[in-house]
Amino acid sequence: DSGVTQTPKHLITATGQRVTLRCSPRSGDLSVYWYQQSLDQGLQFLIQYYNGEERAKGNILERFSAQQFPDLHSELNLSSLELGDSALYFCASSVVGGNSPLHFGNGTRLTVT
Amino acid sequence: KNEVEQSPQNLTAQEGEFITINCSYSVGISALHWLQQHPGGGIVSLFMLSSGKKKHGRLIATINIQEKHSSLHITASHPRDSAVYICAAKAQGGSEKLVFGKGTKLTVNP
Repeated sequence: DSGVTQTPKHLITATGQRVTLRCSPRSGDLSVYWYQQSLDQGLQFLIQYYNGEERAKGNILERFSAQQFPDLHSELNLSSLELGDSALYFCASSVVGGNSPLHFGNGTRLTVT
Repeated sequence: KNEVEQSPQNLTAQEGEFITINCSYSVGISALHWLQQHPGGGIVSLFMLSSGKKKHGRLIATINIQEKHSSLHITASHPRDSAVYICAAKAQGGSEKLVFGKGTKLTVNP
């Protein structure tokens, strides 16, 4: 058990809808990362937060947004969903970022129909 | 061409065999991660290394910074080692972005 909790495990929704994925980092970890894993693109880095502030941005679409709250949990909001957004979304946490080890959640499987 | 290349894409072995998975990258890195993804989808971080060699149980990871190459070795492989192994490179310069290889699917038969 990595200590990182992601909810929900599965999400099925229709095109055009909006969903929120939630991540609770391991106790003591200040950095939260979001990744997307699709069949054709593999794993891609989306965004990182450190202690409530956005630290780094990757291949995140404008329709997607994230935030990290004072209790350090993070939410990834996906809006105007398209079929191509169907993927596994992983959250990971680390103590400070940099070259700290990563701890992954079990992922949220999003299916857009 | 992907910045991080893994080989082989697929690997089938018999229980007990020595396994090597390779990872090459084209940019200067500050760290390289090896990850294991189980059939159920969960990801476990195996190693993070920036130089030399690390060992954990039957797993060994090595990196050669000059040659931009890393290897993951599994000794005395077991069917429970069947998984997808992914390497991910973190570029130099303070970026938090990880660039992932496409993964190596390992199947160990009893």
